[in-house]
Amino acid sequence: QKEVEQNSGPLSVPEGAIASLNCTYSDRGSQSFFWYRQYSGKSPELIMSIYSNGDKEDGRFTAQLNKASQYVSLLIRDSQPSDSATYLCAADSSYKLIFGSGTRLLVRP
Amino acid sequence: DVKVTQSSRYLVKRTGEKVFLECVQDMDHENMFWYRQDPGLGLRLIYFSYDVKMKEKGDIPEGYSVSREKKERFSLILESASTNQTSMYLCASRVRDRYTGELFFGEGSRLTVL
Repeated sequence: QKEVEQNSGPLSVPEGAIASLNCTYSDRGSQSFFWYRQYSGKSPELIMSIYSNGDKEDGRFTAQLNKASQYVSLLIRDSQPSDSATYLCAADSSYKLIFGSGTRLLVRP
Repeated sequence: DVKVTQSSRYLVKRTGEKVFLECVQDMDHENMFWYRQDPGLGLRLIYFSYDVKMKEKGDIPEGYSVSREKKERFSLILESASTNQTSMYLCASRVRDRYTGELFFGEGSRLTVL
């Protein structure tokens, strides 16, 4: 069974701080990785995708991928209360995406 | 604007009823998926389809069936609803390319089985 593991949290950070979210995956054949944000009662929305080892930056968000360690992370700089949500990590496995159970992030004003 | 539309946002059904959840996408995507989401368990794949009339079981197919008669439409069927199928159901679609392409989600259908 292919798996994606995340710490469920909650991860609590003060407003303006850097939030660091982490994820590991078991399928060495996975080639693409995604971070989704999900607000309570809403469906997931894509934050970042990453396909190559290293860092990928988009505004306040940076995704990091290390295929040797089977590790993906998401950094959120200058965290805002509106960033409070559950963050889902996903890894490609054939046609499908396998999701972690999500990390709940709380940004304190 | 790309769109995945689920026919019902909220449903309440009784045990033993047959339930249809409909999903339509307007992006001409080959791949379509049904997930369920429960607190603490994350998103679990029920079924997916990579082409018209093609379907593959996901991780939790028991108690469910699917239908894909047209490329844009993917239906989830609960033949005889049970209380343990109370959940949020999410439909999603994706381009065929294995290595790229995000999942686009519908708004979800929250099903309560009494």
